[in-house]
Amino acid sequence: QKEVEQNSGPLSVPEGAIASLNCTYSDRGSQSFFWYRQYSGKSPELIMSIYSNGDKEDGRFTAQLNKASQYVSLLIRDSQPSDSATYLCAVKRGSTLGRLYFGRGTQLTVWP
Amino acid sequence: GAGVSQSPSNKVTEKGKDVELRCDPISGHTALYWYRQRLGQGLEFLIYFQGNSAPDKSGLPSDRFSAERTGESVSTLTIQRTQQEDSAVYLCASSLAGQGGTDTQYFGPGTRLTVL
Repeated sequence: QKEVEQNSGPLSVPEGAIASLNCTYSDRGSQSFFWYRQYSGKSPELIMSIYSNGDKEDGRFTAQLNKASQYVSLLIRDSQPSDSATYLCAVKRGSTLGRLYFGRGTQLTVWP
Repeated sequence: GAGVSQSPSNKVTEKGKDVELRCDPISGHTALYWYRQRLGQGLEFLIYFQGNSAPDKSGLPSDRFSAERTGESVSTLTIQRTQQEDSAVYLCASSLAGQGGTDTQYFGPGTRLTVL
């Protein structure tokens, strides 16, 4: 079983819709969770981090974490064509130093 | 500097040659990470440094790969006797890694390595 798995995609939504990106992880001891956005040919940029169960909102983005189900998701409200990118879920076992375990990413296309 | 910088941005080399990739972390960031991303794949961890020491080298794929960091700043990733399967984008990230901090990793633009 892979450490971090994401829904395979690609995901295509119309402009203005809600895009839902999902991620599961295998290590129950994981404590830190991140969503990165990666445009084609560019490096990953951090969108959200979440450490506690529940929801965390930042503008149009909401991250949701359920440690019991080992599940983390990212919702993008009012999707825009500029949101079209690959979204990477990353998990860290501790809360301080350590490597990130990445999923393979979900490619999102928002069409006008 | 404002962000993580890496050089060169692109490197084309012939099979069997050695290459060096450089990373300059964000000023003041004590932790530095190397990852690799093959075409169409997720990020694969290679090694990380806390200061000048490397607590986790578990991701280095073979003994042809090595990395060092001096002065708690610049890091160099060296690949000896390159093989075609080494072709990838090599990404460096750094983090503040303060005590009790959340260790958010910020990525550089990457070095695209092509081995012919």
